[in-house]
Amino acid sequence: DGGITQSPKYLFRKEGQNVTLSCEQNLNHDAMYWYRQDPGQGLRLIYYSQIVNDFQKGDIAEGYSVSREKKESFPLTVTSAQKNPTAFYLCASSIGDSSYEQYFGPGTRLTVT
Amino acid sequence: DQQVKQNSPSLSVQEGRISILNCDYTNSMFDYFLWYKKYPAEGPTFLISISSIKDKNEDGRFTVFLNKSAKHLSLHIVPSQPGDSAVYFCAARISGAGSYQLTFGKGTKLSVIP
Repeated sequence: DGGITQSPKYLFRKEGQNVTLSCEQNLNHDAMYWYRQDPGQGLRLIYYSQIVNDFQKGDIAEGYSVSREKKESFPLTVTSAQKNPTAFYLCASSIGDSSYEQYFGPGTRLTVT
Repeated sequence: DQQVKQNSPSLSVQEGRISILNCDYTNSMFDYFLWYKKYPAEGPTFLISISSIKDKNEDGRFTVFLNKSAKHLSLHIVPSQPGDSAVYFCAARISGAGSYQLTFGKGTKLSVIP
């Protein structure tokens, strides 16, 4: 069954710690994305990757880092530099550029205390 | 500056009636618009889209209308069903090779009352 998996669904961390969120897709999509959703807010783009070994900053990249070593995987690291890391994080993928529909994973709720 | 605005945070509709969700945009370069539906603690799922060369697109119970001069689009759901209760996000993009970004509105929470 093709799709996008994000793990874990809920993640708790202490302030000052880096944390990595997993995103895997088996849709054979070239492009992958990370969004952040806060209560009452829309989805804001953190990073996106058009192709393996390439990625671009989105609107709110500060305090985050990504890697794209494999087509299937696009992990997001929330660093201690991110001032307000508690949020719902969504990963998405698409065949290509924004001409194509983005498919979303189920999300990871990160809570930092 | 919010380029895609959904000014109604919530909407309640009786089952069987029409739901109308509105979206306004400010960037005249946007030429493709999408609606996503999101249940709590899940990722959004694509619902329907419309290109700026059209003013209407229909898919079953869902119809999206685009008024380019007013920079306004709306999603109509007829008839509304309890399973339609979710948050609906409007999104827009500027087409072109290498254009990857979608700009999302803040969403409207639809509650369909049985």
